[in-house]
Amino acid sequence: NAGVTQTPKFRVLKTGQSMTLLCAQDMNHEYMYWYRQDPGMGLRLIHYSVGEGTTAKGEVPDGYNVSRLKKQNFLLGLESAAPSQTSVYFCASSYSGSLEAFFGQGTRLTVV
Amino acid sequence: GQSLEQPSEVTAVEGAIVQINCTYQTSGFYGLSWYQQHDGGAPTFLSYNALDGLEETGRFSSFLSRSDSYGYLLLQELQMKDSASYFCARYNQGGKLIFGQGTELSVKP
Repeated sequence: NAGVTQTPKFRVLKTGQSMTLLCAQDMNHEYMYWYRQDPGMGLRLIHYSVGEGTTAKGEVPDGYNVSRLKKQNFLLGLESAAPSQTSVYFCASSYSGSLEAFFGQGTRLTVV
Repeated sequence: GQSLEQPSEVTAVEGAIVQINCTYQTSGFYGLSWYQQHDGGAPTFLSYNALDGLEETGRFSSFLSRSDSYGYLLLQELQMKDSASYFCARYNQGGKLIFGQGTELSVKP
């Protein structure tokens, strides 16, 4: 099993460009999460989903949108990238009611 | 509030025992889990507590006291490879998963 896979692994964007980060999991998990991590800081929750077709805001949702059209995929969109969105983005998933989450390898995004 | 508080850094010597504390606010709290992260890589799960008490997994143990809104991660027989960042994370009822700021553990020879 691949676990949690994030695409792409690296990306450089110009200010104002848009992009979509893909998270795919093959563990049939109900819950999926998107985090950003900045140097020396913890993981801050952007958006999360507790099931197909549902999404909810996390701690830092502004400037991001998400969709969960299929249970195995959770997409994170940046409509108009800003330098403040330069970060490492992690996706995670878990079974509902489980306190164990599985993480992808991360996407390093630079906005210039 | 749903924030968590943990020390920013801890230093210990090889072979010793170290405890990393985590306090949280009770609103919506369901359980506490712990993760390890090496050099900015993918965080990996270590342990969790849904109920009060101690959970032991090899050299790592985790403890929760709901009445004190407090938990800790205990690392025994420290090894150099344990140098990493450690995060406590709270699950809320409804599935929200919030992380603390992380504790940088340095293990010295």
